[in-house]
Amino acid sequence: DQQVKQNSPSLSVQEGRISILNCDYTNSMFDYFLWYKKYPAEGPTFLISISSIKDKNEDGRFTVFLNKSAKHLSLHIVPSQPGDSAVYFCAASYGAGGTSYGKLTFGQGTILTVHP
Amino acid sequence: DVKVTQSSRYLVKRTGEKVFLECVQDMDHENMFWYRQDPGLGLRLIYFSYDVKMKEKGDIPEGYSVSREKKERFSLILESASTNQTSMYLCASSLFLAEETQYFGPGTRLLVL
Repeated sequence: DQQVKQNSPSLSVQEGRISILNCDYTNSMFDYFLWYKKYPAEGPTFLISISSIKDKNEDGRFTVFLNKSAKHLSLHIVPSQPGDSAVYFCAASYGAGGTSYGKLTFGQGTILTVHP
Repeated sequence: DVKVTQSSRYLVKRTGEKVFLECVQDMDHENMFWYRQDPGLGLRLIYFSYDVKMKEKGDIPEGYSVSREKKERFSLILESASTNQTSMYLCASSLFLAEETQYFGPGTRLLVL
């Protein structure tokens, strides 16, 4: 049972435009959400996170939005750059501040291609 | 900078062989994780460890075991490799709390023939 889902396997955008990557989850216990970026032949790297007590978190060109009632989060990249081309994974965990040991549940990933 | 290293980038093994994948982190992190990445399935947690000699099953532990004798080192063992264990294996580490970032190694691409 996939508790975190990224329903779009791929996304293609033009340089300078907005990229919107979506993620849905089913487990209402999740209280912390993250986005990771992965280039080929490298491990994923942390991009941005959001706690369930917030609905938005911004870091430069990257903004994550959380809609708890819809169990949906999205990552906005503005403006998109060719170097942003990578696989993006959303992930979720629960027990922030507690003892869940940081166990993450990942989505399937979305391949983002930004064309010059 | 946190560094997570994995012993091999590529491995080719035969069905039935015992396979060891090693992971070392240099930031004194309590938590360490083993994932496998497969197309269309994302990253799936195999095992994790929150302390030396402590281990917990993840979502897909069947066919795997782990060992953590020292805090910095976490090994994944395929007792008898099978072709369906052909995959990319990723190791990660993090500090103790749930909201701490996980740092990943570069991955080991394992092919079982």
